[in-house]
Amino acid sequence: RKEVEQDPGPFNVPEGATVAFNCTYSNSASQSFFWYRQDCRKEPKLLMSVYSSGNEDGRITAQLNRASQYISLLIRDSKLSDSATYLCVVNGGGSNYKLTFGKGTLLTVNP
Amino acid sequence: DADVTQTPRNRITKTGKRIMLECSQTKGHDRMYWYRQDPGLGLRLIYYSFDVKDINKGEISDGYSVSRQAQAKFSLSLESAIPNQTALYFCATSERLARASGRADTQYFGPGTRLTVL
Repeated sequence: RKEVEQDPGPFNVPEGATVAFNCTYSNSASQSFFWYRQDCRKEPKLLMSVYSSGNEDGRITAQLNRASQYISLLIRDSKLSDSATYLCVVNGGGSNYKLTFGKGTLLTVNP
Repeated sequence: DADVTQTPRNRITKTGKRIMLECSQTKGHDRMYWYRQDPGLGLRLIYYSFDVKDINKGEISDGYSVSRQAQAKFSLSLESAIPNQTALYFCATSERLARASGRADTQYFGPGTRLTVL
């Protein structure tokens, strides 16, 4: 299994749709999990840290399943401004500095 | 003003030339990183530094060198650029969290340098 694997995408959805991103990771010792967002030709920016209890911020919900080594991101009522690449990011386990990035999933929200 | 800045933002150079990319940060973070991003490959770590004069290789350090002479600055050099080093280069910073915290450092990225080697 690759260290961090995401849906390859791309996703094209209409405004208002609900879209789910999936990610799996191979290192069972990993302790920290993130979703970053990257707009076209821009730098990645932290969207959300992911906790075991799950977390929600407005229209966005992230879930972690440690047993399955699976992370998800759900965007509800999608907006045009949600169009971006979404990166699943996991730390290397046993170290708190080394982050491994998934290749990203491109989302385009259409009017 | 941006917390993490990179210069130049764009650079076109020829094979064999020496290139230096600069990164500066005003976040006061100890840790700094250099990544490259290629289409279809995601972000890959080149070098990282935990403090001044501390240098560590990442997963793809061959053909690159770095210098950390000050806490706020971390430079990346390509001694003799080759075409397959054409990529988008990002600098990132993070603060040092206690290992006991169990949390990984959140990394903050600069705007990137688009390098083309002809």
